[in-house]
Amino acid sequence: ETGVTQSPTHLIKTRGQQVTLRCSSQSGHNTVSWYQQALGQGPQFIFQYYREEENGRGNFPPRFSGLQFPNYSSELNVNALELDDSALYLCASSSGGGGTRNSGNTIYFGEGSWLTVV
Amino acid sequence: SQKIEQNSEALNIQEGKTATLTCNYTNYSPAYLQWYRQDPGRGPVFLLLIRENEKEKRKERLKVTFDTTLKQSLFHITASQPADSATYLCALDPLGGSARQLTFGSGTQLTVLP
Repeated sequence: ETGVTQSPTHLIKTRGQQVTLRCSSQSGHNTVSWYQQALGQGPQFIFQYYREEENGRGNFPPRFSGLQFPNYSSELNVNALELDDSALYLCASSSGGGGTRNSGNTIYFGEGSWLTVV
Repeated sequence: SQKIEQNSEALNIQEGKTATLTCNYTNYSPAYLQWYRQDPGRGPVFLLLIRENEKEKRKERLKVTFDTTLKQSLFHITASQPADSATYLCALDPLGGSARQLTFGSGTQLTVLP
């Protein structure tokens, strides 16, 4: 077990709806990253939060947004859902944010939230 | 743009043999390269990290090599077992920048046949 918990584990939404996914990071970790993994593909970086601030973003539109709370847990919000948003959404917990501060630290992934958009 | 390729989508080997998985990358100079295992319906699990100044890293039956001239990493599982059957992902791990952003390959699905 990695100590990273995600909820819900599975959900089905209709196109155009909004969804919120949640993640509790491993104890002592102040950095949370979110990844999207489509079937048969590797995870793709969405964004990272460090000490409640977004400190890096991948190639995802603004309808993908997030929050990090003082206890370092995090939410991923997706508005105006599209069929292509159907994927496994993974939360990754680590410490130290980005750059050299975080070099070599292990990243722990949760089990993910399966989102199906119909 | 950065590109990372794992050269086979699926690999079947006989139990007891050595499995070798390949990861190639272009247009990138990673500081580290990581390997993960992912079982169906589960999140990736960290296996090994190798730094750009390391040629080889070992952990039990696992061995990773990193050739920054060839821009290639090889991942070996010796004395393979059916329990090693899973998808293996390699990921480029940069140094510097505001965020620690991993770039993953699409994975190689390994099946170890009894």
